[in-house]
Amino acid sequence: AQKITQTQPGMFVQEKEAVTLDCTYDTSDPSYGLFWYKQPSSGEMIFLIYQGSYDQQNATEGRYSLNFQKARKSANLVISASQLGDSAMYFCAMREGQGGGSQGNLIFGKGTKLSVKP
Amino acid sequence: GAGVSQTPSNKVTEKGKYVELRCDPISGHTALYWYRQSLGQGPEFLIYFQGTGAADDSGLPNDRFFAVRPEGSVSTLKIQRTERGDSAVYLCASSFGGSKNEQFFGPGTRLTVL
Repeated sequence: AQKITQTQPGMFVQEKEAVTLDCTYDTSDPSYGLFWYKQPSSGEMIFLIYQGSYDQQNATEGRYSLNFQKARKSANLVISASQLGDSAMYFCAMREGQGGGSQGNLIFGKGTKLSVKP
Repeated sequence: GAGVSQTPSNKVTEKGKYVELRCDPISGHTALYWYRQSLGQGPEFLIYFQGTGAADDSGLPNDRFFAVRPEGSVSTLKIQRTERGDSAVYLCASSFGGSKNEQFFGPGTRLTVL
């Protein structure tokens, strides 16, 4: 069974509008961390935002926020005020086990290609 | 400061040949990860090192794949008897710990096996 599911292969958004990229996850571990990465056409993975499973508040980083719904096992990324430079692949990822001592591997979804229209 | 670097950026080889891919992590990062990304897919975990030792190599697809990190810094991913199915982008990442422990990725090595 897939551990990370991203159901939107591609999304379009008008410049300056907000967009939500969906991510659901599956784990039986009570401790886990959720990540979003951006991969532009250059290929490098850029870390955007992190949410820990015990975090009480939704994570925010500038124009990025994470809509974390633990009971539904979803961790959607919201990008506000889209810019042309936001056009890229976006990957949701999970690491099971969290905290300072956790250095396990990330499990990635298949990604969503976001295109921002001028 | 310098990010994660990977060399070569591109490698073309023939089926059956041996290749080495190098990763230079961010200075001071104790953990180092290798992933493989096929076209249209997310990265898939191969192996990760904590210091010099392989803490988890469960993602290596078979015994043709091997990785080392002898001094706890630079790592080399080695692929023997390459097959066309090994063609992919090989990504390296490093991390230093902390509660987020986010991984910082290099630009990748695109391997093409003819």
